[in-house]
Amino acid sequence: DIQMTQSPSSLSASVGDRVTITCRASQGISNYLAWYQQKPGKVPKLLISAASTLQSGVPSRFSGSGSGTDFTLTISSLQPEDVATYYCQKYKGAPFTFGPGTKVDIK
Amino acid sequence: EVHLVESGGGLVQPGGSLRLSCAASGFTFRSYAMTWVRQAPGKGLEWVSAISDSGGSTYYADSVKGRFTISRDNSKNTMYLQMNSLRAEDTAVYYCANRATQNWYFDLWGRGMLVIVSS
Repeated sequence: DIQMTQSPSSLSASVGDRVTITCRASQGISNYLAWYQQKPGKVPKLLISAASTLQSGVPSRFSGSGSGTDFTLTISSLQPEDVATYYCQKYKGAPFTFGPGTKVDIK
Repeated sequence: EVHLVESGGGLVQPGGSLRLSCAASGFTFRSYAMTWVRQAPGKGLEWVSAISDSGGSTYYADSVKGRFTISRDNSKNTMYLQMNSLRAEDTAVYYCANRATQNWYFDLWGRGMLVIVSS
């Protein structure tokens, strides 16, 4: 099975900072990658599909890129409401594995 | 408004069984594939199982294969997860979610249901 890793596991940044989270697949998955945001005590929310397609209603400061094995989620200007754990998920065939998550908070 | 509501969770002893339900409303349930995702306390998301719109195709994580069975009743707009031979490591919040398109990512989630496996 394809394994998903994320780095860093956690980060602390200032409001307005550019934040980048990396997701890596152990084998190529083309662009079959989604990103989710889970705020503390809340249900996961789909942010991005197909590696770079922003879902309706998601702020434009979020963006995704990558293909094959290496992917990034970027928050161009971190806001207090972005405090959350971010997960990547591959969906090129079962199992539809999630990455271990990256916890983002405000410095 | 679209909703997914899980039920059937609770406390069960190791080796026991439990059946979770996920009731859908506000959308054409029979047209959507569905999934279960769990989250152990303080841990990350773990995909558990998925089922096609017709119920004809099912998928399982290795961690639950042979112990859990996913099913659905499109006449009742409900999906199920039958969990047998439960272990302490199955303790988690179980979320149901639907597949938005032809691809297996999930855009509508229920609020989750806690399952605790403990003696």
